[in-house]
Amino acid sequence: DADVTQTPRNRITKTGKRIMLECSQTKGHDRMYWYRQDPGLGLRLIYYSFDVKDINKGEISDGYSVSRQAQAKFSLSLESAIPNQTALYFCATSEPTGQGETQYFGPGTRLLVL
Amino acid sequence: GENVEQHPSTLSVQEGDSAVIKCTYSDSASNYFPWYKQELGKGPQLIIDIRSNVGEKKDQRIAVTLNKTAKHFSLHITETQPEDSAVYFCAPLDSSYKLIFGSGTRLLVRP
Repeated sequence: DADVTQTPRNRITKTGKRIMLECSQTKGHDRMYWYRQDPGLGLRLIYYSFDVKDINKGEISDGYSVSRQAQAKFSLSLESAIPNQTALYFCATSEPTGQGETQYFGPGTRLLVL
Repeated sequence: GENVEQHPSTLSVQEGDSAVIKCTYSDSASNYFPWYKQELGKGPQLIIDIRSNVGEKKDQRIAVTLNKTAKHFSLHITETQPEDSAVYFCAPLDSSYKLIFGSGTRLLVRP
């Protein structure tokens, strides 16, 4: 979805390196999310933010940190990358409608940690 | 927290046949039940959803049914086409307003 962009799309890094994945959106949504996808495990929530001043841990936040620089930008950092953080990472945005909400996903960042 | 199970993990059907994917959840407070489709190389995309005040919703060849008593909901695709081949995820909204994704079903439609 062109409204949600992620950079880089692919990244190879070495164990112990700090890296940052960036997400930008033009949908004007307050809520943003970072997910990790591993084969056979679906998507697992790392961190989420319901507005610029709000940061919440998800299911698997250990080893990760985030920054919500503006309504449109939400970055994910791996402080010291390890091989089991090799995965596909997705950013998403949403806007609640009162009875549920649709999440809009970016194209993903494929990360390989050697 | 919400526990979500999705079955089957893989499903192969002949073009034109129907496909059914089932999702069970544990949080009785959940009241929003979406299904997402993920095509190769892309992020998931919402294809259909249902609120807890209805039992069924249809959109052309796709339908979702909900059984709140038994805590499960299902995705039904009729007259399957090759372009339906993808990975499908259920993702009920938990009581903290987060989507909890199932492990996914890889659907293959054979021409």
